[in-house]
Amino acid sequence: DAGVIQSPRHEVTEMGQEVTLRCKPISGHDYLFWYRQTMMRGLELLIYFNNNVPIDDSGMPEDRFSAKMPNASFSTLKIQPSEPRDSAVYFCASSLYGGGYEQYFGPGTRLTVT
Amino acid sequence: SQQGEEDPQALSIQEGENATMNCSYKTSINNLQWYRQNSGRGLVHLILIRSNEREKHSGRLRVTLDTSKKSSSLLITASRAADTASYFCATDTGGGNKLTFGTGTQLKVEL
Repeated sequence: DAGVIQSPRHEVTEMGQEVTLRCKPISGHDYLFWYRQTMMRGLELLIYFNNNVPIDDSGMPEDRFSAKMPNASFSTLKIQPSEPRDSAVYFCASSLYGGGYEQYFGPGTRLTVT
Repeated sequence: SQQGEEDPQALSIQEGENATMNCSYKTSINNLQWYRQNSGRGLVHLILIRSNEREKHSGRLRVTLDTSKKSSSLLITASRAADTASYFCATDTGGGNKLTFGTGTQLKVEL
């Protein structure tokens, strides 16, 4: 298996623009997690899905952030409009049995908002 | 504040030495996991220890868990330059299938 795939790997955009991050989880994994990592806040869970259904979005910072999982092999995290403070590395992770078990992380998307 | 906090924040050792890093957490847990993150990469799972276990080994890794003190330690024996990375503990508190990650320890192993 290719592991968790994320695209793009790097994104540079101007403030106010829409940003869409993409993730393909490992086939057969029922759980998908979106994290954000910054020096100041560390690794934060934004939202997670179980069987394509959002379960907990309490970590989503603002209404500017939204996430979808239209099918078992694809998820998106959208920021609209983007702001400089959204600059971070965004990780997608998937798990077979849920968060209490091993999670497999993608390589991350480094987002820079100028 | 973080559920898990690692100590020390940074650690520098010579190749061949042992590295010990600690994790403290606040609430009761179902299990605790350790992950490694190489610079610019995603996190990689190292080991999982359940709340009813006290010690676990995997290769050069040894993890202990003391639920009475709400703490865990990760020992890497005979360290190598390739072990240079950040190490994070993550706890499953049973509150909904998610993990809470600690602040991380940056380990540097010098030749």
